[in-house]
Amino acid sequence: DQQVKQNSPSLSVQEGRISILNCDYTNSMFDYFLWYKKYPAEGPTFLISISSIKDKNEDGRFTVFLNKSAKHLSLHIVPSQPGDSAVYFCAARGSGGSNYKLTFGKGTLLTVNP
Amino acid sequence: NAGVTQTPKFQVLKTGQSMTLQCAQDMNHEYMSWYRQDPGMGLRLIHYSVGAGITDQGEVPNGYNVSRSTTEDFPLRLLSAAPSQTSVYFCASTGRGIPNEQFFGPGTRLTVL
Repeated sequence: DQQVKQNSPSLSVQEGRISILNCDYTNSMFDYFLWYKKYPAEGPTFLISISSIKDKNEDGRFTVFLNKSAKHLSLHIVPSQPGDSAVYFCAARGSGGSNYKLTFGKGTLLTVNP
Repeated sequence: NAGVTQTPKFQVLKTGQSMTLQCAQDMNHEYMSWYRQDPGMGLRLIHYSVGAGITDQGEVPNGYNVSRSTTEDFPLRLLSAAPSQTSVYFCASTGRGIPNEQFFGPGTRLTVL
């Protein structure tokens, strides 16, 4: 049972345009959501997060939106740059006793074309 | 700080061989975990530890053992390697606090023939 879903395996965007990466979840007990970015042959690196009590968090070119009623979050990158080309993982953290454990989606490969 | 380090970077094993993947962190983090990444499968949690002497199973623990004798080190042992364990393995650590951002090592690419 996949609790965090990234239904788009890949996304291609032109440089300067907006990239929108989507993530759906099924577990209403998740209380924190994170996005990680991964380049080939490197470990994932933390990008941005959002608490379940918020609906938006912004950090520079990156904004994450959370729609709790729809159990959906999205990562917006504006403007997209070729260096943003990477695999993006959505992750969710359980509340209470499992608050160290993250559940990851399968990832979306973003390609930003010059 | 070196952050999270993993050794080796690459390893080829034959079926049935054993080996230990090393992981160390110098950030005094309480929580450490091991993930495997397979094509189309994302990151799946193998084992995790919330502190020295405490370990627990994740989503895919079969075929792997762990121990946590110190805060810094969290080795992952394959007792009898199988081709299904061919994967890229990532170790991660996190300290207390929100949002429990996990810091990942560079990974170990393991091939089992």
